[in-house]
Amino acid sequence: DAKTTQPNSMESNEEEPVHLPCNHSTISGTDYIHWYRQLPSQGPEYVIHGLTSNVNNRMASLAIAEDRKSSTLILHRATLRDAAVYYCILRDVQNAGNMLTFGGGTRLMVKP
Amino acid sequence: DTGVSQDPRHKITKRGQNVTFRCDPISEHNRLYWYRQTLGQGPEFLTYFQNEAQLEKSRLLSDRFSAERPKGSFSTLEIQRTEQGDSAMYLCASSPSVRGTRYEQYFGPGTRLTVT
Repeated sequence: DAKTTQPNSMESNEEEPVHLPCNHSTISGTDYIHWYRQLPSQGPEYVIHGLTSNVNNRMASLAIAEDRKSSTLILHRATLRDAAVYYCILRDVQNAGNMLTFGGGTRLMVKP
Repeated sequence: DTGVSQDPRHKITKRGQNVTFRCDPISEHNRLYWYRQTLGQGPEFLTYFQNEAQLEKSRLLSDRFSAERPKGSFSTLEIQRTEQGDSAMYLCASSPSVRGTRYEQYFGPGTRLTVT
């Protein structure tokens, strides 16, 4: 799977939107962009994924650049419960059932 | 709760001892994965099963590590002759084996191993 680059940490205020960036300049045409997050003392959990179009679900939105070399995970109103490490992961659809390759992720801190 | 469960949640052992961890995946999931996570790092893939078949193993999985999934349901991960470098969180995940693009993995809470 191709490599992703994320900031080590970000801070946000509670109830404000958060934009978490991810660069993936070597993305291939068959790579899907997946986001997982890991709350303290828990295993990772799936957040959202997309290929080319922007995606929305109950947890977040995913904005994908037109050239697909970057993406942004958007939390519309951060809560204290959203404090976690967020991982941006590329998965080749041809190997989509196989392992996840995690980077260092972005540690999101939410201030009350 | 019908999520992925792992047992034990914590294990402290002395160097040189053998340890075994168990993972119970979500019941209808065919695929089962093991990952290892050290402090401050993202999880690293160790191995994965499709039903009872072990289909892929990482180079991280030295010959002291062995994983089984005998009946395609629960899985065990054994570490023989533990070393201090084995201290980590061991995570299990499962996913359904269906066609599509999502292949979401569901993770358990992990087993934290401390080797003294």
